[in-house]
Amino acid sequence: DIQMTQSPSTLSASVGDRVTITCRASQSINSWLAWYQQKPGKAPNLLINKASNLESGVPSRFSGSGSGTEFTLTISSLRPEDFATYYCQQYKSPPWTFGQGTKVEI
Amino acid sequence: QLQLQESGPGLVKTSETLSLTCTVSGGSISTSDYYWGWVRQPPGKGLEWIGTILLSGSTYFHPSLESRVAMSVDTSKNQFSLRLNSVTAADTAVYYCTRVRPTRIFDFWGQGTPVTVSS
Repeated sequence: DIQMTQSPSTLSASVGDRVTITCRASQSINSWLAWYQQKPGKAPNLLINKASNLESGVPSRFSGSGSGTEFTLTISSLRPEDFATYYCQQYKSPPWTFGQGTKVEI
Repeated sequence: QLQLQESGPGLVKTSETLSLTCTVSGGSISTSDYYWGWVRQPPGKGLEWIGTILLSGSTYFHPSLESRVAMSVDTSKNQFSLRLNSVTAADTAVYYCTRVRPTRIFDFWGQGTPVTVSS
């Protein structure tokens, strides 16, 4: 299985901050990486596909980059509604696996 | 707007079978453009892919679960289902049904249904 490791596990930030979350794969996954946002008690919401393609309706303050084994999700200016847990997911080869999550808190 | 809704028992006894159904509304399950899947999330933990089913009935399961899991599609009801047998406390989780792109990205999710396994 391809292991996905996110860092940090928890991130404390303030409204307006620039935030970066890292996701590392245990082997190359090219650009086959997605990012999801999950708020408490809610289902995950797809933000980004293929490492850097923003899903329709996702604010432009979110961006993704990377390829191979190292990827980042950046929020350029944190808004109150962005406080949530973020997960990366590889879809290079089955079983499809997720990172353990990064909680962005105030 | 596509919506997915999970249904099924919230409590299952140890060693018995967990059965969940996902009802799709606002769109047809009978499309070859997408697949359908299940993802679970144990309390306070991350996400785990369980399995994916195609309209043809072909299925793909997480290797750690494939000996215990089955999925099916009922196009007449616009539903798909999950069965997980011989459950233990480790199967306690929120279970989400999802729409799956051919690339294996989960782009629409149900609200999730919590399932507790207990004796």
